Amino acid sequence: DIQMTQSPSSVSASVGDRVTITCRASQDVSTFLTWYQQKPGKAPKLLIYGASSLQSGVPSRFSGSGSGTDFTLTISSLQPEDFATYYCQQANRFPLTFGGGTKVEI
Amino acid sequence: DVQLVESGGGLAQPGRSLRLSCTVSGFTLGDYAMSWFRQAPGEGLEWVSFVRSKAYGGTTEYAASVKGRFTISRDDSKSIGYLQVSSLKTEDTAVYYCTRVVVLPYYYMDVWGKGTTVTVSS
Repeated sequence: DIQMTQSPSSVSASVGDRVTITCRASQDVSTFLTWYQQKPGKAPKLLIYGASSLQSGVPSRFSGSGSGTDFTLTISSLQPEDFATYYCQQANRFPLTFGGGTKVEI
Repeated sequence: DVQLVESGGGLAQPGRSLRLSCTVSGFTLGDYAMSWFRQAPGEGLEWVSFVRSKAYGGTTEYAASVKGRFTISRDDSKSIGYLQVSSLKTEDTAVYYCTRVVVLPYYYMDVWGKGTTVTVSS
């Protein structure tokens, strides 16, 4: 199975901050990498697919980059509604696997 | 509006079964793959199962932790997907989400239901 490692596991930030979350795959997943945002008690929401493609309706302050084994999610200017947990997920092969999550908090 | 609504969760004793349903609206289920995920209390996301569209053979995939106990299926004519969860274990306790899956050019889950809770306890 492909192991996904996210860092940091949590980050304290303020409104307006630039936040970067990294995700590392245990083997090459090409660009089959997806980022989701999840708020407490809610379903995950798709942010980025194909490592760098922004899902329709997602604010442009979110961006993704990387390929192979190393990936990054960047929030350029943190907004109050961005405080949530973020997950990366590889879809290069089954079983689909997730990183452990990064909680962005004040 | 594209929507997926899960149902069928509840309290079950270990060893028993439940059938989870995922009713979709706003799109043609037959045009998409479908996948189920779960999230145990306070834990991260875990992929459970996947079924391809009929155009891709309708074949299925399962996580090792549920293979042989869970069965995914779909009824495109009714716009409903199913996850039969059998031989339940306490560690199957979780919120179960169904998702629509886009497969080209990348696999990703673009729409999620709100989830249905399964609690396994004696």
